Amino acid sequence: QSALTQPASVSGSPGQSITMSCTGSRGDIGGSSYVSWYQQHPGRPPKVVIYDVDKRPSGISGRFSGSKSGSTASLTISGLQTEDEAEYFCSSHTSDNTYVFGSGTQVYV
Amino acid sequence: QVQLVQSGTEVKRTGSSVNVACKTSGGTFGNSAINWVRQAPGQGLEWVGGIIPIFRTTKYSQRFQDRVTITADESTTTAYMDLNSLRSDDTAIYFCARIPHWGYRWFDAWGQGTLISVSS
Repeated sequence: QSALTQPASVSGSPGQSITMSCTGSRGDIGGSSYVSWYQQHPGRPPKVVIYDVDKRPSGISGRFSGSKSGSTASLTISGLQTEDEAEYFCSSHTSDNTYVFGSGTQVYV
Repeated sequence: QVQLVQSGTEVKRTGSSVNVACKTSGGTFGNSAINWVRQAPGQGLEWVGGIIPIFRTTKYSQRFQDRVTITADESTTTAYMDLNSLRSDDTAIYFCARIPHWGYRWFDAWGQGTLISVSS
């Protein structure tokens, strides 16, 4: 299973909105309702910010939103804040009942 | 509050084996799924495999299928990962990550990570 494809970096100014993509295939994102996104600050474990394509866990800001079209999922961060600067990984459950992660997108604020 | 606490750093020789523990507290261990995800230095996340304690069923990435064994002890709410025939490219931080219920498909809590360093 190849890693999902994410852009290496995305940048924005405080208050702006940014969107990052995550492209897979029919065997993962394209055929799954289970796409999740994780935020990781340096030296810390990942933290879920979106699950099941567009659901937000309790405690996660409404500035984070997710969507999916075909085999591409997207994460949007609106009202960008300095603490949003981190690496973001997408993940999908696959048709083989395994999990695959994206290559990661570094967000610069 | 769910907490996952992992065992400490391991320094290993190529060809040897390593065992990493993940002690969980809070939540319902049996109904959850405990997974292992690794991150090589400066790299992305890679799923290794997982276990559903209540069913004692495991699933492994094809990449590690023949080298990894994941087990769980419900009496101590601890999961374990055994990785053998270690190679230098196994050097990474290994995280345990919980799926809150075996019917879900996302990781809601993560351990702090265990560095496994492999060299000859």
